[in-house]
Amino acid sequence: DTAVSQTPKYLVTQMGNDKSIKCEQNLGHDTMYWYKQDSKKFLKIMFSYNNKELIINETVPNRFSPKSPDKAHLNLHINSLELGDSAVYFCASSPWGSGESEQYFGPGTRLTVT
Amino acid sequence: EDQVTQSPEALRLQEGESSSLNCSYTVSGLRGLFWYRQDPGKGPEFLFTLYSAGEEKEKERLKATLTKKESFLHITAPKPEDSATYLCAVHPRGSNTGKLIFGQGTTLQVKP
Repeated sequence: DTAVSQTPKYLVTQMGNDKSIKCEQNLGHDTMYWYKQDSKKFLKIMFSYNNKELIINETVPNRFSPKSPDKAHLNLHINSLELGDSAVYFCASSPWGSGESEQYFGPGTRLTVT
Repeated sequence: EDQVTQSPEALRLQEGESSSLNCSYTVSGLRGLFWYRQDPGKGPEFLFTLYSAGEEKEKERLKATLTKKESFLHITAPKPEDSATYLCAVHPRGSNTGKLIFGQGTTLQVKP
């Protein structure tokens, strides 16, 4: 029944490691997003894919690389993790990418880099 | 620069004490304004979309309104289960990509 799911929910790792977060949506939406929420709860968009095509790529270090194998999945791979990458990462989806439709969020992945 | 500011940052209410949350925005034209609710440890949950000044939407004890410069989320006779962080986001008119700009949120605590 879960509309947007993410794995893992918690991720604790050391600096310098490489990690991935997976996201899947079963809503049939065309557009998926990755957001980062910092300790002050400020949500900021990182990437957006529409039908497997990258449409938003904010100023994010190139250590972050999204991959969309199909329109129901959007994964986030992070290389050479740094302390500042610690945050909660949310995946979201919407029916289309024009911005007039609401976005549905996953439960989040709390990443802690030590 | 497009910007969204929410106030207050935190709000404590007694059960039944009505109040309003504010979302002020500065954007180059508005395509849509969104309200979300976020519970601790969970993802934001969609509440409302408003598209034009004068528009209002209601859901249970919540009512969202929109003017040309700000939006209000009115909470009537709140209950403890309304405690959460409420996020406001705007979609600027110049963007076709679905990029939302979020405010920092208002954390509401309703005491019984």
